[in-house]
Amino acid sequence: GAVVSQHPSWVICKSGTSVKIECRSLDFQATTMFWYRQFPKQSLMLMATSNEGSKATYEQGVEKDKFLINHASLTLSTLTVTSAHPEDSSFYICSAGGTGGNEQYFGPGTRLTVT
Amino acid sequence: AQRVTQPEKLLSVFKGAPVELKCNYSYSGSPELFWYVQYSRQRLQLLLRHISRESIKGFTADLNKGETSFHLKKPFAQEEDSAMYYCALRDGGFKTIFGAGTRLFVKA
Repeated sequence: GAVVSQHPSWVICKSGTSVKIECRSLDFQATTMFWYRQFPKQSLMLMATSNEGSKATYEQGVEKDKFLINHASLTLSTLTVTSAHPEDSSFYICSAGGTGGNEQYFGPGTRLTVT
Repeated sequence: AQRVTQPEKLLSVFKGAPVELKCNYSYSGSPELFWYVQYSRQRLQLLLRHISRESIKGFTADLNKGETSFHLKKPFAQEEDSAMYYCALRDGGFKTIFGAGTRLFVKA
């Protein structure tokens, strides 16, 4: 099956700094990628839909200026958490595919800890 | 509003016993429904989708539009089935909404 990777798998940063998380589709092209957030023992919450070559579509309640999404190519989407705070600490998961009836493939996730 | 409800956070059964993980949804149109599974320390992966009407690893799920349910069933649970299970709904576009998840624990 298709593979989606994320980098880094785990990052610790200081409050006030910015962190970039990469999501790559390794063996297929993805015009659309999705970013989710998962708090401990909770479900995945869709944050935004990343569209190649255009602006991301954010879900209600997600600050677009805080969570910057860039989808510069058909195999790479990035999520930058700007001016991170401890409450941003979470597990961030990306997925690719899932459009036009296709299967959605998930990355392994990135654990962000803001101190 | 779109909503996926999994009423049980934890389901514990003995090996060989039948399993039913409940899922109810709220959606005004015709959704696509999925079950995803996440084994310990592994990424989320698709288990099955309602449109394929197939059995994966002995699991089946039938879409009941009248009851707006998509319960996941397996007649005889195995220890390796222990995992987190998420019911998910995809709308006419591609937005997928996940339920809160049910942790299945199969005891020896």
